[in-house]
Amino acid sequence: GIQVEQSPPDLILQEGANSTLRCNFSDSVNNLQWFHQNPWGQLINLFYIPSGTKQNGRLSATTVATERYSLLYISSSQTTDSGVYFCAVAVYGKLTFGQGTILTVHP
Amino acid sequence: DSGVTQTPKHLITATGQRVTLRCSPRSGDLSVYWYQQSLDQGLQFLIQYYNGEERAKGNILERFSAQQFPDLHSELNLSSLELGDSALYFCASSVGAEIYGYTFGSGTRLTVV
Repeated sequence: GIQVEQSPPDLILQEGANSTLRCNFSDSVNNLQWFHQNPWGQLINLFYIPSGTKQNGRLSATTVATERYSLLYISSSQTTDSGVYFCAVAVYGKLTFGQGTILTVHP
Repeated sequence: DSGVTQTPKHLITATGQRVTLRCSPRSGDLSVYWYQQSLDQGLQFLIQYYNGEERAKGNILERFSAQQFPDLHSELNLSSLELGDSALYFCASSVGAEIYGYTFGSGTRLTVV
């Protein structure tokens, strides 16, 4: 099956810093999404981004489907950004998740 | 509120027991998906239903079963529970069988003691 790798596995930031999270996938996909899992366990959909670039406030994402990677940018990080960020790709009805990046933002 | 409703939020039960998790998809979504999140396995796809029919199957144990009812809500049944079944179980829905984006519910945290 398709492989999804995320890096870095852990990231510690001071409030106000910027960061880039990366997602590599091993095959062509129909869909790619970024999720944030907050400390209460909720999975929040950040971006549906099979290709191109999208922005939502301090967050933006870029997917280069031909090169099989996606990047999530977080600017001016806040403590509420802490949690786990997952990249997930869909092929024929099955969403495969990466192992996630654990982000901790200190005040 | 994502629009996908899962009940109960928490469940504690003993080994060997059977439980039922319930999911109501977002209004208008025909597809329902079940995922299991455990510490050692990460987020794993279990099963998908589309408009009442099973559409795709993942790493779902034979002790587990699911169905989608005519009103489109879905239930995941877990039987002969083992300690290793303790996990967070998520339901997600989407507008069609082909993926335009998933919306996840808040999950059911199952603890088997």
